[in-house]
Amino acid sequence: DGGITQSPKYLFRKEGQNVTLSCEQNLNHDAMYWYRQDPGQGLRLIYYSQIVNDFQKGDIAEGYSVSREKKESFPLTVTSAQKNPTAFYLCASSIYGKPGRVKAYEQYFGPGTRLTVT
Amino acid sequence: AQSVTQLDSQVPVFEEAPVELRCNYSSSVSVYLFWYVQYPNQGLQLLLKYLSGSTLVKGINGFEAEFNKSQTSFHLRKPSVHISDTAEYFCAVSDNNAGNMLTFGGGTRLMVKP
Repeated sequence: DGGITQSPKYLFRKEGQNVTLSCEQNLNHDAMYWYRQDPGQGLRLIYYSQIVNDFQKGDIAEGYSVSREKKESFPLTVTSAQKNPTAFYLCASSIYGKPGRVKAYEQYFGPGTRLTVT
Repeated sequence: AQSVTQLDSQVPVFEEAPVELRCNYSSSVSVYLFWYVQYPNQGLQLLLKYLSGSTLVKGINGFEAEFNKSQTSFHLRKPSVHISDTAEYFCAVSDNNAGNMLTFGGGTRLMVKP
């Protein structure tokens, strides 16, 4: 079955520690995304990557970092600089968005990782 | 810049009753519209999408939505809800100026009561 996996489902960390969230997809998608979800606020884009070895900041990139060394993988590191890291983190993927390729707008989501920092 | 407004943060409804979840968007160009459903502690699942063509779109689980360009709306409807429809529903929009990027509304929590 093709899909997106995120691990772990629940993650607990002490304040001041960096933590890396895993996202893997076997859909052969070029583009991958990281979102943060807080209660009542919908989803906000942290980082996205259209192709391997390239990524762009989203609306709330401060305190986060990513890498895209493989097409299948897009790990997100929550650094100690992120002031309020406790949240639900969602990874998504889509096909590459060439002009006119409307199916590129369909994003497929993983199950999410709930990060709690105390 | 585009934006999405989901007018109701919570919608309580009795089982087997009809429901409408409202979504309005702002965009100056042609849009692509989506509804996603999220069950507790899970990711988002695509319910339905409008990319082009017929303005009435049917999705999974008996849901449908109608794209109304003049009212910049994309309301989600179901004629008869089940307890299992209890979840959070998100409306999202993109357009040709946004690349692959989706802008999400704040979500509507549908609570189906027996």
